[in-house]
Amino acid sequence: NAGVTQTPKFRVLKTGQSMTLLCAQDMNHEYMYWYRQDPGMGLRLIHYSVGEGTTAKGEVPDGYNVSRLKKQNFLLGLESAAPSQTSVYFCASRKTSVETQYFGPGTRLLVL
Amino acid sequence: LAKTTQPISMDSYEGQEVNITCSHNNIATNDYITWYQQFPSQGPRFIIQGYKTKVTNEVASLFIPADRKSSTLSLPRVSLSDTAVYYCLVAGPGTYKYIFGTGTRLKVLA
Repeated sequence: NAGVTQTPKFRVLKTGQSMTLLCAQDMNHEYMYWYRQDPGMGLRLIHYSVGEGTTAKGEVPDGYNVSRLKKQNFLLGLESAAPSQTSVYFCASRKTSVETQYFGPGTRLLVL
Repeated sequence: LAKTTQPISMDSYEGQEVNITCSHNNIATNDYITWYQQFPSQGPRFIIQGYKTKVTNEVASLFIPADRKSSTLSLPRVSLSDTAVYYCLVAGPGTYKYIFGTGTRLKVLA
């Protein structure tokens, strides 16, 4: 039982490049979340999903897209990376009936 | 969503009890209070959750007064390894979005 895993752990992009961050959970959780955390700041919600095939915008969705084709996976895409997207990205999941989120180890992204 | 207010930072010494208070004046009837702990370069980790009165587990205690407009996370006899950021969240069943805020940065000194 690996919990929540994220791929990659670290990535450097040039401005304008695209990439996809992968989040996977093996706990059969319905809800999944993508957050970003900037230095000295709390987590801000980017997008979330309440089930397979559904996604919704969070607090800071601009510049990101997501997909949830399989229940266990939640992908975060950056179509054209900008330096302002330099951050640490955390994925989380939880069961519908339980108000406890389980977080992944994070992906550190640097956009030059 | 209930907005929460916590102290930005706190210092303590090893072996002391630490109490971190979170204010959530507009908490809804069905909302739970959840505390998370985050170490540098790691994702937040669940510590404790409660609805009212007192909850205790092997790591911490959570005190919630009758009006539920605030809550206090109590860490008994802290050690250097308790140095972390602590977040208070308020949310109820069916909540989709969460607001973490900046949390409380606890530094435990030797």
